[in-house]
Amino acid sequence: GQQVMQIPQYQHVQEGEDFTTYCNSSTTLSNIQWYKQRPGGHPVFLIQLVKSGEVKKQKRLTFQFGEAKKNSSLHITATQTTDVGTYFCAGWWYGNKLVFGAGTILRVKS
Amino acid sequence: NAGVTQTPKFQVLKTGQSMTLQCAQDMNHNSMYWYRQDPGMGLRLIYYSASEGTTDKGEVPNGYNVSRLNKREFSLRLESAAPSQTSVYFCASSFRAGASDEQFFGPGTRLTVL
Repeated sequence: GQQVMQIPQYQHVQEGEDFTTYCNSSTTLSNIQWYKQRPGGHPVFLIQLVKSGEVKKQKRLTFQFGEAKKNSSLHITATQTTDVGTYFCAGWWYGNKLVFGAGTILRVKS
Repeated sequence: NAGVTQTPKFQVLKTGQSMTLQCAQDMNHNSMYWYRQDPGMGLRLIYYSASEGTTDKGEVPNGYNVSRLNKREFSLRLESAAPSQTSVYFCASSFRAGASDEQFFGPGTRLTVL
């Protein structure tokens, strides 16, 4: 079946440092979604990317979709303690179901 | 609006016991999903219901059954619980089936099977 690989599995950063998580698919995606899960909470939708090469920003978060639509990244500038949690990408191929990556756990030291 | 609700929040079972996890949504969504979340493995789809009256297997359906009771409610049943089913279970819903609509998740059920 379809798979989405996500790296790193875990990242511990100093508050104020940047953070990036990456997702890769071996096949071309129709689109990709990103979710955030706070510790002890449930996943919450952040954004969806559809177009090749698309870049979207939400305050300090920048989301990119690769030109070949096989990879995506989430970059957080100047992390804050409120950014802690697990970030999931989820790939969608037309006519299929959403497939989640394993997630990247972000810890921020203040 | 409550969004997606799940009951119970926590449950401890002994091996071989059965139980049903309940899920309801009040967003008039057509599609509903059951996922399990295990450390380092992300969210894996157990079963989903594209619309009222239909259910389909996901990635890890063995040991589970589901019922789409009506448009609002989608339950997950463990007939004979096993320790390998210890996990956090999330129910989710989305407006359309077969499309990449965002999914709304419930608060989860933390299940331990001894």
